[in-house]
Amino acid sequence: RKEVEQDPGPFNVPEGATVAFNCTYSNSASQSFFWYRQDCRKEPKLLMSVYSSGNEDGRFTAQLNRASQYISLLIRDSKLSDSATYLCVVNSPGSGNTGKLIFGQGTTLQVKP
Amino acid sequence: DTGVSQDPRHKITKRGQNVTFRCDPISEHNRLYWYRQTLGQGPEFLTYFQNEAQLEKSRLLSDRFSAERPKGSFSTLEIQRTEQGDSAMYLCASTLGAGQPQHFGDGTRLSIL
Repeated sequence: RKEVEQDPGPFNVPEGATVAFNCTYSNSASQSFFWYRQDCRKEPKLLMSVYSSGNEDGRFTAQLNRASQYISLLIRDSKLSDSATYLCVVNSPGSGNTGKLIFGQGTTLQVKP
Repeated sequence: DTGVSQDPRHKITKRGQNVTFRCDPISEHNRLYWYRQTLGQGPEFLTYFQNEAQLEKSRLLSDRFSAERPKGSFSTLEIQRTEQGDSAMYLCASTLGAGQPQHFGDGTRLSIL
Protein backbone atom coordinates (compact mmCIF):
# COMPACT_ATOMS: atom_id res chain seq x y z
CA ARG A 1 0.00 0.00 0.00
CA LYS A 2 1.27 3.48 -0.87
CA GLU A 3 1.89 5.86 2.01
CA VAL A 4 -0.21 8.58 0.37
CA GLU A 5 -2.98 7.60 -2.02
CA GLN A 6 -4.87 9.79 -4.46
CA ASP A 7 -7.21 9.16 -7.35
CA PRO A 8 -5.10 10.14 -10.38
CA GLY A 9 -8.17 11.24 -12.37
CA PRO A 10 -8.26 13.02 -14.72
CA PHE A 11 -11.10 15.19 -13.50
CA ASN A 12 -12.62 17.09 -16.43
CA VAL A 13 -14.90 19.90 -15.28
CA PRO A 14 -16.46 23.00 -16.88
CA GLU A 15 -15.46 26.49 -15.85
CA GLY A 16 -17.31 27.58 -12.75
CA ALA A 17 -17.74 24.07 -11.39
CA THR A 18 -16.87 22.97 -7.88
CA VAL A 19 -14.50 20.02 -7.67
CA ALA A 20 -13.18 18.04 -4.72
CA PHE A 21 -10.07 15.88 -4.42
CA ASN A 22 -9.44 13.36 -1.69
CA CYS A 23 -6.34 11.75 -0.32
CA THR A 24 -5.59 9.15 2.36
CA TYR A 25 -2.35 8.59 4.23
CA SER A 26 -1.16 5.50 6.06
CA ASN A 27 1.03 6.78 8.88
CA SER A 28 -1.07 8.00 11.78
CA ALA A 29 1.96 9.76 13.29
CA SER A 30 2.18 12.22 10.38
CA GLN A 31 2.12 15.80 11.60
CA SER A 32 2.16 18.19 8.64
CA PHE A 33 0.00 18.15 5.56
CA PHE A 34 0.06 20.15 2.35
CA TRP A 35 -1.43 20.48 -1.09
CA TYR A 36 1.01 21.31 -3.85
CA ARG A 37 0.15 22.23 -7.41
CA GLN A 38 2.28 21.08 -10.33
CA ASP A 39 1.94 22.32 -13.89
CA CYS A 40 3.12 20.14 -16.75
CA ARG A 41 6.92 19.72 -16.72
CA LYS A 42 7.30 22.27 -13.91
CA GLU A 43 8.25 22.03 -10.26
CA PRO A 44 5.68 21.50 -7.47
CA LYS A 45 4.51 24.75 -5.87
CA LEU A 46 2.87 25.04 -2.48
CA LEU A 47 -0.86 25.65 -2.81
CA MET A 48 -1.71 25.55 0.88
CA SER A 49 -0.92 23.91 4.17
CA VAL A 50 -3.70 21.85 5.73
CA TYR A 51 -4.65 22.38 9.36
CA SER A 52 -6.74 20.24 11.67
CA SER A 53 -9.44 22.87 11.91
CA GLY A 54 -9.68 23.18 8.14
CA ASN A 55 -8.57 26.25 6.27
CA GLU A 56 -9.59 28.35 3.32
CA ASP A 57 -7.65 30.47 0.86
CA GLY A 58 -9.93 32.24 -1.58
CA ARG A 59 -11.63 29.60 -3.74
CA PHE A 60 -9.66 26.77 -2.13
CA THR A 61 -10.65 24.92 1.04
CA ALA A 62 -8.61 22.17 2.66
CA GLN A 63 -9.81 19.74 5.32
CA LEU A 64 -8.00 17.21 7.47
CA ASN A 65 -9.59 14.28 9.29
CA ARG A 66 -6.93 12.73 11.50
CA ALA A 67 -9.19 9.93 12.74
CA SER A 68 -9.81 8.73 9.18
CA GLN A 69 -6.35 9.80 7.94
CA TYR A 70 -8.04 11.66 5.15
CA ILE A 71 -7.26 15.00 3.49
CA SER A 72 -9.42 16.89 1.02
CA LEU A 73 -9.17 19.90 -1.27
CA LEU A 74 -12.22 21.74 -2.57
CA ILE A 75 -11.96 24.18 -5.47
CA ARG A 76 -14.94 26.45 -6.04
CA ASP A 77 -15.73 28.40 -9.22
CA SER A 78 -13.05 26.59 -11.25
CA LYS A 79 -10.96 28.68 -13.65
CA LEU A 80 -9.15 27.54 -16.77
CA SER A 81 -5.92 28.42 -14.96
CA ASP A 82 -6.68 25.83 -12.26
CA SER A 83 -5.85 23.08 -14.77
CA ALA A 84 -2.87 21.27 -13.23
CA THR A 85 -1.91 18.25 -11.15
CA TYR A 86 -2.66 18.53 -7.44
CA LEU A 87 -0.31 16.67 -5.15
CA CYS A 88 -1.33 15.56 -1.67
CA VAL A 89 1.74 15.74 0.55
CA VAL A 90 2.43 14.45 4.04
CA ASN A 91 5.43 15.13 6.22
CA SER A 92 7.10 11.85 7.15
CA PRO A 93 7.27 11.38 10.91
CA GLY A 94 10.28 9.06 10.70
CA SER A 95 13.11 9.06 13.18
CA GLY A 96 15.44 12.03 13.28
CA ASN A 97 12.73 14.52 12.39
CA THR A 98 14.13 14.92 8.89
CA GLY A 99 10.97 16.52 7.59
CA LYS A 100 11.04 14.62 4.32
CA LEU A 101 7.84 14.83 2.32
CA ILE A 102 5.82 11.89 1.06
CA PHE A 103 3.87 12.69 -2.09
CA GLY A 104 0.77 11.14 -3.55
CA GLN A 105 0.68 10.29 -7.22
CA GLY A 106 -1.22 13.49 -7.95
CA THR A 107 -4.72 14.18 -9.25
CA THR A 108 -5.01 15.79 -12.67
CA LEU A 109 -7.61 18.52 -13.15
CA GLN A 110 -8.62 19.81 -16.56
CA VAL A 111 -11.01 22.78 -16.56
CA LYS A 112 -12.78 23.24 -19.88
CA PRO A 113 -14.39 26.42 -21.24
CA ASP B 1 15.15 35.86 -7.69
CA THR B 2 15.78 34.50 -4.20
CA GLY B 3 14.15 31.09 -4.71
CA VAL B 4 15.78 27.68 -5.04
CA SER B 5 17.83 27.42 -8.21
CA GLN B 6 19.02 24.30 -9.99
CA ASP B 7 21.50 23.80 -12.77
CA PRO B 8 21.34 22.55 -15.46
CA ARG B 9 17.68 22.59 -16.40
CA HIS B 10 18.14 19.75 -18.85
CA LYS B 11 20.84 17.13 -19.26
CA ILE B 12 21.04 14.57 -22.05
CA THR B 13 23.79 12.02 -21.82
CA LYS B 14 24.74 8.55 -22.96
CA ARG B 15 24.36 5.53 -20.73
CA GLY B 16 27.47 4.95 -18.66
CA GLN B 17 28.44 8.60 -18.35
CA ASN B 18 28.67 10.51 -15.06
CA VAL B 19 26.48 13.55 -14.44
CA THR B 20 26.44 16.18 -11.69
CA PHE B 21 23.62 18.52 -10.75
CA ARG B 22 23.77 21.60 -8.58
CA CYS B 23 21.22 23.13 -6.23
CA ASP B 24 21.38 26.54 -4.56
CA PRO B 25 18.79 26.70 -1.77
CA ILE B 26 17.13 29.78 -0.35
CA SER B 27 19.97 31.40 1.57
CA GLU B 28 18.57 31.22 5.10
CA HIS B 29 17.29 27.64 4.76
CA ASN B 30 19.47 25.11 6.56
CA ARG B 31 17.50 22.06 5.40
CA LEU B 32 17.99 20.80 1.83
CA TYR B 33 16.31 17.84 0.14
CA TRP B 34 16.71 15.99 -3.14
CA TYR B 35 13.76 14.22 -4.76
CA ARG B 36 13.30 12.30 -7.99
CA GLN B 37 10.13 12.35 -10.09
CA THR B 38 9.23 10.06 -12.96
CA LEU B 39 6.36 10.53 -15.38
CA GLY B 40 2.94 10.14 -13.80
CA GLN B 41 4.27 9.82 -10.27
CA GLY B 42 4.75 12.19 -7.38
CA PRO B 43 8.29 13.12 -6.30
CA GLU B 44 10.16 10.53 -4.23
CA PHE B 45 12.61 11.41 -1.48
CA LEU B 46 16.29 10.73 -2.17
CA THR B 47 18.35 12.44 0.54
CA TYR B 48 18.36 15.20 3.15
CA PHE B 49 20.96 17.62 4.49
CA GLN B 50 20.86 19.74 7.58
CA ASN B 51 23.57 22.32 7.06
CA GLU B 52 26.51 20.29 5.72
CA ALA B 53 25.50 16.98 7.32
CA GLN B 54 23.76 14.36 5.19
CA LEU B 55 21.34 12.89 7.70
CA GLU B 56 19.20 10.54 5.66
CA LYS B 57 19.44 8.63 2.40
CA SER B 58 16.64 6.72 0.72
CA ARG B 59 17.01 3.14 -0.45
CA LEU B 60 16.47 4.65 -3.92
CA LEU B 61 19.94 6.17 -3.63
CA SER B 62 22.12 3.36 -4.90
CA ASP B 63 25.91 3.40 -4.54
CA ARG B 64 26.10 5.10 -7.94
CA PHE B 65 24.55 8.20 -6.40
CA SER B 66 26.40 10.62 -4.14
CA ALA B 67 25.36 13.97 -2.75
CA GLU B 68 27.29 16.66 -0.95
CA ARG B 69 26.62 19.99 0.64
CA PRO B 70 30.01 21.50 1.48
CA LYS B 71 29.86 24.43 3.89
CA GLY B 72 26.13 23.98 4.22
CA SER B 73 25.30 26.15 1.23
CA PHE B 74 24.82 24.72 -2.28
CA SER B 75 24.50 20.99 -2.87
CA THR B 76 25.55 18.66 -5.66
CA LEU B 77 24.06 15.34 -6.71
CA GLU B 78 26.29 13.07 -8.79
CA ILE B 79 25.20 9.97 -10.64
CA GLN B 80 27.98 7.68 -11.83
CA ARG B 81 27.68 5.16 -14.68
CA THR B 82 24.20 6.36 -15.59
CA GLU B 83 21.54 3.84 -16.56
CA GLN B 84 18.37 4.34 -18.58
CA GLY B 85 16.33 3.96 -15.41
CA ASP B 86 17.96 7.11 -14.07
CA SER B 87 15.97 9.20 -16.56
CA ALA B 88 13.77 11.45 -14.42
CA MET B 89 13.30 14.95 -13.08
CA TYR B 90 15.63 15.62 -10.14
CA LEU B 91 14.17 18.20 -7.78
CA CYS B 92 15.85 20.10 -4.98
CA ALA B 93 13.92 21.72 -2.14
CA SER B 94 14.80 23.73 0.92
CA THR B 95 13.08 24.78 4.11
CA LEU B 96 13.71 26.30 7.53
CA GLY B 97 12.09 23.66 9.70
CA ALA B 98 10.94 20.04 9.64
CA GLY B 99 7.23 20.82 9.63
CA GLN B 100 7.43 23.74 7.25
CA PRO B 101 6.51 23.69 3.55
CA GLN B 102 9.40 23.02 1.24
CA HIS B 103 10.24 25.29 -1.68
CA PHE B 104 11.29 23.57 -4.87
CA GLY B 105 13.68 24.55 -7.61
CA ASP B 106 12.80 24.21 -11.30
CA GLY B 107 14.39 20.77 -11.38
CA THR B 108 16.94 19.12 -13.65
CA ARG B 109 15.45 16.87 -16.32
CA LEU B 110 17.83 14.00 -17.06
CA SER B 111 17.52 11.92 -20.22
CA ILE B 112 19.73 8.89 -20.74
CA LEU B 113 20.20 7.79 -24.34
